[in-house]
Amino acid sequence: KAGVTQTPRYLIKTRGQQVTLSCSPISGHRSVSWYQQTPGQGLQFLFEYFSETQRNKGNFPGRFSGRQFSNSRSEMNVSTLELGDSALYLCASSLSRIREGYTFGSGTRLTVV
Amino acid sequence: AQSVTQLGSHVSVSEGALVLLRCNYSSSVPPYLFWYVQYPNQGLQLLLKYTSAATLVKGINGFEAEFKKSETSFHLTKPSAHMSDAAEYFCAVPNNAGNMLTFGGGTRLMVKP
Repeated sequence: KAGVTQTPRYLIKTRGQQVTLSCSPISGHRSVSWYQQTPGQGLQFLFEYFSETQRNKGNFPGRFSGRQFSNSRSEMNVSTLELGDSALYLCASSLSRIREGYTFGSGTRLTVV
Repeated sequence: AQSVTQLGSHVSVSEGALVLLRCNYSSSVPPYLFWYVQYPNQGLQLLLKYTSAATLVKGINGFEAEFKKSETSFHLTKPSAHMSDAAEYFCAVPNNAGNMLTFGGGTRLMVKP
């Protein structure tokens, strides 16, 4: 079966712009989570959606937002980009809770210049 | 909140040598523990998971991990390293609600010929 698909793979944006990243989970998976990965901070949890509802949110500013659609696809948006937002953004899906473990996408590499 | 600590951000072994990557969890016994591997420019791939059904867990690519409550540890091992094992490895623990993972800082494994 198809894995978790993230688009685009690479993005270059200018400081102050906004960006939208997309994630299509594995078919049947209703939970989608987003993580930010940077060399300095490691893997940090952004938010988790289940059946179009945000169930959990990490400690990120309000510039980071997300949503999930009825087909479980998810998007995350970052407004007013800062240089420090440069990172690999990873999407992960699971059936419901984490007991099965996540399946991760390959990520979107965002560079803010 | 649950947390995990990975001792050693970099580990170097010779091809054919034993691989030992360390992970310690915070004091309360978690219901699940995970090891993930990340190859360059890719997302994370699940190696194995502990679910309390067995303390010795076998994963993919010849890796295994042993849960030791007395040592609050879940170290990852492989008897004989291959060049293809060179990657970054992450230990992770879920929160109580089961809707997010907290990752360790990661251990980069280098395999020398």
